[in-house]
Amino acid sequence: EVQLVESGGGLIQPGGSLRLSCAASGFTVSSNYMSWVRQAPGKGLEWVSVIYSGGSTYYADSVKGRFTISRDNSKNTLYLQMNSLRAEDTAVYYCARAPTLEPALDYWGQGTLVTVSS
Amino acid sequence: QSVLTQPPSASGTPGQRVTISCSGSSSNIGSNYVYWYQQLPGTAPKFLIYRNNQRPSGVPDRFSGSKSGTSASLAISGLRSEDEADYYCAAWDDSPYVVFGGGTKLTVL
Repeated sequence: EVQLVESGGGLIQPGGSLRLSCAASGFTVSSNYMSWVRQAPGKGLEWVSVIYSGGSTYYADSVKGRFTISRDNSKNTLYLQMNSLRAEDTAVYYCARAPTLEPALDYWGQGTLVTVSS
Repeated sequence: QSVLTQPPSASGTPGQRVTISCSGSSSNIGSNYVYWYQQLPGTAPKFLIYRNNQRPSGVPDRFSGSKSGTSASLAISGLRSEDEADYYCAAWDDSPYVVFGGGTKLTVL
């Protein structure tokens, strides 16, 4: 059974750093296209980043230069390193899988809440 | 402001057919497939439609998608109370960047 479990969220001060994890089971992270998508409180979905099976990475303009997506193949886990956090980064962060090179996100985690506030 | 434009709300009565629109431009919907997601209250989004009109396994055929030019639509027929949710369209925009619509809150009256 495919499962994605995020962790690492919490309350962080503006300018701080946080690393989110997404532990996968039932499939191989490195063979898929893995994305992070966030949702600010009461707002819609916003795509954040993707890592391709080949290792290429891409970011939304709103996080480029501050966030880094990566994976650990030995742990079958996806990460999102978030630096220089801002109040507007406050959101539930979801990891999601796409088995093919297209935005067909067929499995999602339950999400982890990141709150940036002093 | 979202790149893809959806109506903020839609409603219908049980058994009715409702449609939700999604408007974009030549750089996203006009040149790429459209995808739809359903988000029930308090849960993660669920994969609903891919490549404009294809349903993943397990999605009822009450749900259908279409695309024409730079716009797309999601139709739900035989509306049921459990269909009450937020619906989002998505597409590539100058691949590999993904854009979502602002979401449509569907109320079953």
